[in-house]
Amino acid sequence: DTAVSQTPKYLVTQMGNDKSIKCEQNLGHDTMYWYKQDSKKFLKIMFSYNNKELIINETVPNRFSPKSPDKAHLNLHINSLELGDSAVYFCASMIQRPSGDNEQFFGPGTRLTVL
Amino acid sequence: GENVEQHPSTLSVQEGDSAVIKCTYSDSASNYFPWYKQELGKRPQLIIDIRSNVGEKKDQRIAVTLNKTAKHFSLHITETQPEDSAVYFCAASYNTDKLIFGTGTRLQVFP
Repeated sequence: DTAVSQTPKYLVTQMGNDKSIKCEQNLGHDTMYWYKQDSKKFLKIMFSYNNKELIINETVPNRFSPKSPDKAHLNLHINSLELGDSAVYFCASMIQRPSGDNEQFFGPGTRLTVL
Repeated sequence: GENVEQHPSTLSVQEGDSAVIKCTYSDSASNYFPWYKQELGKRPQLIIDIRSNVGEKKDQRIAVTLNKTAKHFSLHITETQPEDSAVYFCAASYNTDKLIFGTGTRLQVFP
């Protein structure tokens, strides 16, 4: 019954490898996001998609490529991994309420460690 | 660009005391201000939010105040309990499309 799910939960890999993180939401939301949380807990938006279309790209290196096959999924592919990519990556989706109170629901996070 | 400053970075209180976390935003067009709580190893979760047409909002032991003129908003937790211990993030956005998060406050409530 998890609203926003991510796989894998942990990912340990070598520098230079390519890896993907998957995200799925079963809430019927139109908008999905990827965030990066570094070791100091800073939470920064990377991408936003609305109904499979890229809306926000926060000057993320082009080694990071999001892909949205449908509005329930937003996957993150990372090429040529670097040490600085080590972080927790959170997927989120957003509901738009008529009241204007729009809540973002976060996934459980994927802890990526690049060795 | 947009920026949200959050203070303090750490806050320790005795159980039962109040805790206040303050944020300042730079984009005067911001009109939505949520607060998220992140327990250790868990995902951020919304605990309360406020829109710019409201000055204060309360939900049991937590309240948020907004001063649009000064571009400040604050989270107030009363009668703190050990389970309130977590990292708290403020955020600001215009029409909720892009949340700009503060740097987080680690709150520790000692029994």
